Amino acid sequence: LAKTTQPISMDSYEGQEVNITCSHNNIATNDYITWYQQFPSQGPRFIIQGYKTKVTNEVASLFIPADRKSSTLSLPRVSLSDTAVYYCLVGDKAAGNKLTFGGGTRVLVKP
Amino acid sequence: DTGVSQNPRHKITKRGQNVTFRCDPISEHNRLYWYRQTLGQGPEFLTYFQNEAQLEKSRLLSDRFSAERPKGSFSTLEIQRTEQGDSAMYLCASSPQGGYGYTFGSGTRLTVV
Repeated sequence: LAKTTQPISMDSYEGQEVNITCSHNNIATNDYITWYQQFPSQGPRFIIQGYKTKVTNEVASLFIPADRKSSTLSLPRVSLSDTAVYYCLVGDKAAGNKLTFGGGTRVLVKP
Repeated sequence: DTGVSQNPRHKITKRGQNVTFRCDPISEHNRLYWYRQTLGQGPEFLTYFQNEAQLEKSRLLSDRFSAERPKGSFSTLEIQRTEQGDSAMYLCASSPQGGYGYTFGSGTRLTVV
């Protein structure tokens, strides 16, 4: 599985846009990029998944450049409740095997 | 669909005791995973099942750990002779075959004293 690198932590303020970039230089052709969110004392929650270009849902946007060696999770207009750890994962969608989590990015949203 | 359910939510046990956790996955998901998470770290893979077959086990899963999924539905994770280093959050997740949409439960927090 491709290894990912993401910032350890980020601070933001309510109403701002938060962008978290993840590096995955060794991403394979069949790999998808998936982001999870985790609140304290809860399991990770799926946010968004993409293969290339841009994906948007009601929660976030995921930007993936043409070389796919990095990706950026964009959280628009964050609120205090977006304070969480965000994990970037890369893996083969078809394999359905284990997810390999890194340390994640701790996002703190301040009032 | 009530999601992935884990019981108990919290467990405090004395060192050397055995503990068992239960996971009830989403009913139509045939894949079930166990992870362990310590404070400040991301979840670490322990093992996974496809239906009742245990297909992969991590080296983290010592011989004191055993997991079962007897009828391809719920799963149990047992830790024998618990040690303080076993203190962690134990997470269960399920997914449909061929899908990448894992759904995690809220976990069981184990404290070994």
